[in-house]
Amino acid sequence: QQQVKQSPQSLIVQKGGISIINCAYENTAFDYFPWYQQFPGKGPALLIAIRPDVSEKKEGRFTISFNKSAKQFSLHIMDSQPGDSATYFCAASNTGNQFYFGTGTSLTVIP
Amino acid sequence: EAGVAQSPRYKIIEKRQSVAFWCNPISGHATLYWYQQILGQGPKLLIQFQNNGVVDDSQLPKDRFSAERLKGVDSTLKIQPAKLEDSAVYLCASSLITDTQYFGPGTRLTVL
Repeated sequence: QQQVKQSPQSLIVQKGGISIINCAYENTAFDYFPWYQQFPGKGPALLIAIRPDVSEKKEGRFTISFNKSAKQFSLHIMDSQPGDSATYFCAASNTGNQFYFGTGTSLTVIP
Repeated sequence: EAGVAQSPRYKIIEKRQSVAFWCNPISGHATLYWYQQILGQGPKLLIQFQNNGVVDDSQLPKDRFSAERLKGVDSTLKIQPAKLEDSAVYLCASSLITDTQYFGPGTRLTVL
């Protein structure tokens, strides 16, 4: 049973465009929703995270939008750059335990 | 601040052999996680330690996988005997408090 469903599997965006990755979850006990960025041969690195008490969180070019009623959250990358080309994972956890990751989105930003 | 260290970085073994991975978390981090990441998939949590104790090992295949964290610092993950489907990257992560995890570079295991 996939606890966190992520889409799309791959994404190609022009430089300067907006990249949008979506995730959905089922367990209403989840209270922490991070996004990770992973480059080939490296471990995932925390990009940005949100808790369900807010609907949006922005850090630089990265924004998480959170819809508690729909049990969905998304990552928006504004002004996408070639250096953003990586695999992105959403995740969810319950009070810092039982982390579940999505299946990943491979982002390619074309110069 | 030094990151999470893992060794070896790569390991190739025959099926039915045993293998062990080592992780040294960031100093002071009480929580340590082991994940399995199969090619093209997201990491799957195998086991979570809080200091010396196991918080969650519900997805650890206990008939062949074992893990320990001695003195609440370093940790080892062992597979015995290995199967072909164990081929994956094994990631270790640590956190000061639960939530913000810092991942190591991983160990890529190939089982032939």
